[in-house]
Amino acid sequence: AQSVTQPDIHITVSEGASLELRCNYSYGATPYLFWYVQSPGQGLQLLLKYFSGDTLVQGIKGFEAEFKRSQSSFNLRKPSVHWSDAAEYFCAVESYGQNFVFGPGTRLSVLP
Amino acid sequence: DTAVSQTPKYLVTQMGNDKSIKCEQNLGHDTMYWYKQDSKKFLKIMFSYNNKELIINETVPNRFSPKSPDKAHLNLHINSLELGDSAVYFCASSLVEGEAFFGQGTRLTVV
Repeated sequence: AQSVTQPDIHITVSEGASLELRCNYSYGATPYLFWYVQSPGQGLQLLLKYFSGDTLVQGIKGFEAEFKRSQSSFNLRKPSVHWSDAAEYFCAVESYGQNFVFGPGTRLSVLP
Repeated sequence: DTAVSQTPKYLVTQMGNDKSIKCEQNLGHDTMYWYKQDSKKFLKIMFSYNNKELIINETVPNRFSPKSPDKAHLNLHINSLELGDSAVYFCASSLVEGEAFFGQGTRLTVV
């Protein structure tokens, strides 16, 4: 069965600092990979996705993610965090004919 | 234009009642979903449905039932509500191979 792990439940960074959120997945083949962000009281918004091709993908709001097949990872990065980035971040996987499976989420807090 | 809309946004009801949450998508997607998000923010798939197949998560009580009058709608009916049903419920839709688009969520509180 597919599974997604996000090892960090809660991360706190200072505004302007760099950010990396970790995501690992377990699946027989390479699934489609996604990062979503959820602001308080809101639905989930897609940040970026990986289907194939270049393993470094760019998303909205200055985020990027790198797919590493050898590590079954899809880590999310941002070079300089803004206070408005404080939210819950979810990594997800999906493959043809299967449902989306979400990781447990990482809560990001940003210090002024 | 809201891509995936669900109503109501908030729902407060007593134990034992029956309630419905409506979901509509205007994206022309093939597949729709219902997710439950618990107090720890964990997202759990409840159902996925396209016009051919309903896939039910076996852990979902049969008090929950999806109903799809057409391809653009997937409503969630809940019978005999229990305290443990309190959560945020998200509707989503996607193409067969593509990202999921989510509604804003319905916060259900059972008292």
